[in-house]
Amino acid sequence: GDSVTQMEGPVTLSEEAFLTINCTYTATGYPSLFWYVQYPGEGLQLLLKATKADDKGSNKGFEATYRKETTSFHLEKGSVQVSDSAVYFCALTRNTGGFKTIFGAGTRLFVKA
Amino acid sequence: EAQVTQNPRYLITVTGKKLTVTCSQNMNHEYMSWYRQDPGLGLRQIYYSMNVEVTDKGDVPEGYKVSRKEKRNFPLILESPSPNQTSLYFCASSSSGQSYGYTFGSGTRLTVV
Repeated sequence: GDSVTQMEGPVTLSEEAFLTINCTYTATGYPSLFWYVQYPGEGLQLLLKATKADDKGSNKGFEATYRKETTSFHLEKGSVQVSDSAVYFCALTRNTGGFKTIFGAGTRLFVKA
Repeated sequence: EAQVTQNPRYLITVTGKKLTVTCSQNMNHEYMSWYRQDPGLGLRQIYYSMNVEVTDKGDVPEGYKVSRKEKRNFPLILESPSPNQTSLYFCASSSSGQSYGYTFGSGTRLTVV
């Protein structure tokens, strides 16, 4: 069945460091891929998405590229801030007659000043 | 403002006492879904609805009921809550189609004692 695997956290970085959070997926067909962010005490928010191979999603300095050959959608940011501290979820959605969304387990990011 | 509204935010109840968590969206979305979030288990889908009067089970439907009588509302009903339903619950909505991401509510933290 479909699945999403994220790197385990927590990830701890200093402010202005480079961030990579790895995400790989298993799915038949051509899913759409998403990153969501969850700040403490809040619901998930859509951060960025990519709907076909080689698409790059970007938002708020975060980027991820849909790599079909490696079935990956790694999240990157060139310079993190303390305010980026949150839990990040990778997800895929695939048309199954209806459509099905699978979330990764989430990766907690701590950014130190 | 486009949003998904869940109520209540926090609820403590006793085993066996029926409860309803309400969810309403103002974006005219066809698709709505309920998830529960538990430490180490990520988000798991409880039920979803493709449109009015169309609902189906997700991955963990046992002990829950839903209804979709109006497009904007998708309440989650626990007929006889048990302690293993203590969790953080999220309602989410989306336009139909796999390329749209979810808009999430702020969550309901339920404790069953």
